[in-house]
Amino acid sequence: AQSVTQLGSHVSVSEGALVLLRCNYSSSVPPYLFWYVQYPNQGLQLLLKYTSAATLVKGINGFEAEFKKSETSFHLTKPSAHMSDAAEYFCAVSDRTYNQGGKLIFGQGTELSVKP
Amino acid sequence: EAQVTQNPRYLITVTGKKLTVTCSQNMNHEYMSWYRQDPGLGLRQIYYSMNVEVTDKGDVPEGYKVSRKEKRNFPLILESPSPNQTSLYFCASSNSNTGELFFGEGSRLTVL
Repeated sequence: AQSVTQLGSHVSVSEGALVLLRCNYSSSVPPYLFWYVQYPNQGLQLLLKYTSAATLVKGINGFEAEFKKSETSFHLTKPSAHMSDAAEYFCAVSDRTYNQGGKLIFGQGTELSVKP
Repeated sequence: EAQVTQNPRYLITVTGKKLTVTCSQNMNHEYMSWYRQDPGLGLRQIYYSMNVEVTDKGDVPEGYKVSRKEKRNFPLILESPSPNQTSLYFCASSNSNTGELFFGEGSRLTVL
């Protein structure tokens, strides 16, 4: 069975500071990993995904994440936070059997606040 | 514009009154799914559909029904809503082997 744990339900940073949102996964098979962002009153939008190519994945809006198999982690980072980054972020894992009935498992979410 | 459209976006109803939340996608995706989002629990899958006339239960299917008569539409039916179904619901679709989902904007349902 797969699972995802996001450490910290709320993270607050100052504008211009490093953003680090933590995600650890559990999977018995090589996973696909995703980060989604949800802005207020909107649906989820894909930030970036890992599908077994490069372990450092770059996404939209300056975010990136690194797949570390030894640590079973897929932490999301951004060097310099912007006010517009305030949102809820979800890490998700898929077991690659997606089109055979597999599914995306989501973490509990981390709400990011950015202080001026 | 490629999108997943849900209706209604907001609904307040009473216990036992049947309701349907519609979902339509214009991307010709085979896979569609419904999730509910609750504080502290993230997103949990209710039902999914691999293709027309093929549906299956997710993690929290109790109290819900779905149908997939056409590729583009995947309505969620609450036959007899109860207050514990008060939640934010998302429809999503995908045609990718990587599992990348495209989400609708959500439907906030309150059952009194």
